[in-house]
Amino acid sequence: RKEVEQDPGPFNVPEGATVAFNCTYSNSASQSFFWYRQDCRKEPKLLMSVYSSGNEDGRFTAQLNRASQYISLLIRDSKLSDSATYLCVVNTGGGFQKLVFGTGTRLLVSP
Amino acid sequence: DTGVSQNPRHKITKRGQNVTFRCDPISEHNRLYWYRQTLGQGPEFLTYFQNEAQLEKSRLLSDRFSAERPKGSFSTLEIQRTEQGDSAMYLCASSHRDARNNQPQHFGDGTRLSIL
Repeated sequence: RKEVEQDPGPFNVPEGATVAFNCTYSNSASQSFFWYRQDCRKEPKLLMSVYSSGNEDGRFTAQLNRASQYISLLIRDSKLSDSATYLCVVNTGGGFQKLVFGTGTRLLVSP
Repeated sequence: DTGVSQNPRHKITKRGQNVTFRCDPISEHNRLYWYRQTLGQGPEFLTYFQNEAQLEKSRLLSDRFSAERPKGSFSTLEIQRTEQGDSAMYLCASSHRDARNNQPQHFGDGTRLSIL
């Protein structure tokens, strides 16, 4: 079983749609959680951190359920520019930020 | 541009050759990480430096791989006797050190290695 599991997609949605991605992780000692965005053949970029209380950044909302070891990302009012791969990332700790990435979920937003 | 810089951007070489990649982190960052990413997968952790000390190595880092950060600034990753399975994107990231390990990692553009 992979440490971080995501549905690879692709998710094909029209502009303006709301789309949700889910992720599960296996290491219950994981310390912090993130969503990264990666465009085709580009480097990953931090989209947002994920906090236990849930957090929002504009059209993006992230939630964490530690009991279920489950992380989610909600994108409202999708834009064409949101088309990318969204990577669920878990910091498994150990004295430094040791990141474990999911395989990513591909999102395609069409006109 | 004050981001993480990696070079070369692309490297094509024959199987059995040695290759070396360079990473220049953001100047004030004392933590540096190397990752490998293959098609359809997320990045996989290879190794971590705090200043010049290499503090963690993944079991993915076979004895053909060696990484250095001699002065605590730039880092090099060398692969000896390359194999076709080494073909991947090699990503470098850097971050500040903080007590809670919450500082985000900033990634470079990566070096894409193709083994013929």
